[in-house]
Amino acid sequence: DAGVTQSPTHLIKTRGQQVTLRCSPKSGHDTVSWYQQALGQGPQFIFQYYEEEERQRGNFPDRFSGHQFPNYSSELNVNALLLGDSALYLCASSLVAWDRVTDTQYFGPGTRLTVL
Amino acid sequence: AQKITQTQPGMFVQEKEAVTLDCTYDTSDQSYGLFWYKQPSSGEMIFLIYQGSYDEQNATEGRYSLNFQKARKSANLVISASQLGDSAMYFCAMREGSYNTDKLIFGTGTRLQVFP
Repeated sequence: DAGVTQSPTHLIKTRGQQVTLRCSPKSGHDTVSWYQQALGQGPQFIFQYYEEEERQRGNFPDRFSGHQFPNYSSELNVNALLLGDSALYLCASSLVAWDRVTDTQYFGPGTRLTVL
Repeated sequence: AQKITQTQPGMFVQEKEAVTLDCTYDTSDQSYGLFWYKQPSSGEMIFLIYQGSYDEQNATEGRYSLNFQKARKSANLVISASQLGDSAMYFCAMREGSYNTDKLIFGTGTRLQVFP
C-alpha cells in the first residue's frame, strides 16, 4: 500500500520565480493538507483540499495557491518567491471521517525548497 | 487561541530505558484530538499515536503510550525500552474537533537522542 508521495525531493529557485510542488495521497484518502516547516520549527498549516476545493486556509499570503485533481492528488504553487519561502514543504493526506472531521493525517517525505 | 507547548528542546536517554516527552496544550474546544509525530533527519513526519479528548483510556501503540491528563491539559509521550533508532525530533500536535478546523497545530518539537 503506497504511502503519501511528493515530488520533487529538492528544489532550488531564485527570488521572484514560481514553483509547483506535487503530492499523491495515500491510497483511499480524499483530503490533502499542505504544511510549511522552516528550519528548527514545527510545521505550519498552509491549506487543505477536499473535493477539489480549498476547504481551509492558514495564515499564508495569496502567493500560495493550490489545486486538487479528481484523482485526489494535489499541487502547491508559490509565486514571486522570497528568501523566506525556503523551507521543507510537507503534504499530508487523510480521509474525512463520519463526523466530518478528518481522520489521522499521514505525511509524505517532503520537498525541500531553497530560494537563493 | 489554540496552542501546543513543548518545553524540552532536547532530551537524552540511554538505550533500553524509558523516556517521557512533555506536551501541554491550550484550547477552549471540548472536542479535540492530540497526536504525536516522529521526524527523523530524512524529514518525513511519521505518525505515532492519537488521543481523542473524550477517550477515557490512555492511548498505547507498541512501545509508545500517551499520558493524557485532561484537567492539566497535558499529553506526554512515553517511549519504553528506547532504541537507537528512536533518535529523532518528536512533535506534539492538536486538531480541534469542529468541522471547519481540520488543521494540525504543532509544537516546536523535542530532539531525542538515544545513546548506547
